[in-house]
Amino acid sequence: GENVEQHPSTLSVQEGDSAVIKCTYSDSASNYFPWYKQELGKRPQLIIDIRSNVGEKKDQRIAVTLNKTAKHFSLHITETQPEDSAVYFCAASETGGFKTIFGAGTRLFVKA
Amino acid sequence: EPEVTQTPSHQVTQMGQEVILRCVPISNHLYFYWYRQILGQKVEFLVSFYNNEISEKSEIFDDQFSVERPDGSNFTLKIRSTKLEDSAMYFCASSDVGNSPLHFGNGTRLTVT
Repeated sequence: GENVEQHPSTLSVQEGDSAVIKCTYSDSASNYFPWYKQELGKRPQLIIDIRSNVGEKKDQRIAVTLNKTAKHFSLHITETQPEDSAVYFCAASETGGFKTIFGAGTRLFVKA
Repeated sequence: EPEVTQTPSHQVTQMGQEVILRCVPISNHLYFYWYRQILGQKVEFLVSFYNNEISEKSEIFDDQFSVERPDGSNFTLKIRSTKLEDSAMYFCASSDVGNSPLHFGNGTRLTVT
């Protein structure tokens, strides 16, 4: 079955700096890669996603890249703000979409 | 914006008891899921449900667990004979199609004593 590895587990940046979170997946049949943000005590919420027919996607300060050959995908947050502080989860879903597997999460701290 | 709703928000039960966690998915969604998150850890897939049957389940989802869609709106997770290690936040989610964003409810925090 699918296995998603995520690193780093903790990331601390200064406000205004960029943050990069990296994930790898194991199942070449996976074709949908969402990213979720979870604030303390809240539910995970989708922030951006990418499909396997696309190499990069951007939404304001957030971008995601996908390398299908290497089975890598990454989240890039530019001009970080204190409200970006949260746990970020990458995930992968295979064709059929009945199962989305999450990485272990990255706790991002943005220092003002 | 429509939301997934879960009840109760917190459930305390004694070891060995049965619990039912309830969810109302977004009304036009066809795929339903249960995930579990032990405090501070990853979001773990338990089961997906489509067309009135289980589509996928993880190794966590053993005979102790069952799901049901008893009517057109509710989706339930039953845990029989609860164990201490079942203590976790249980999230229900739904999506309109496969391979699309999961919409999570606010979760039910289950505490087994």
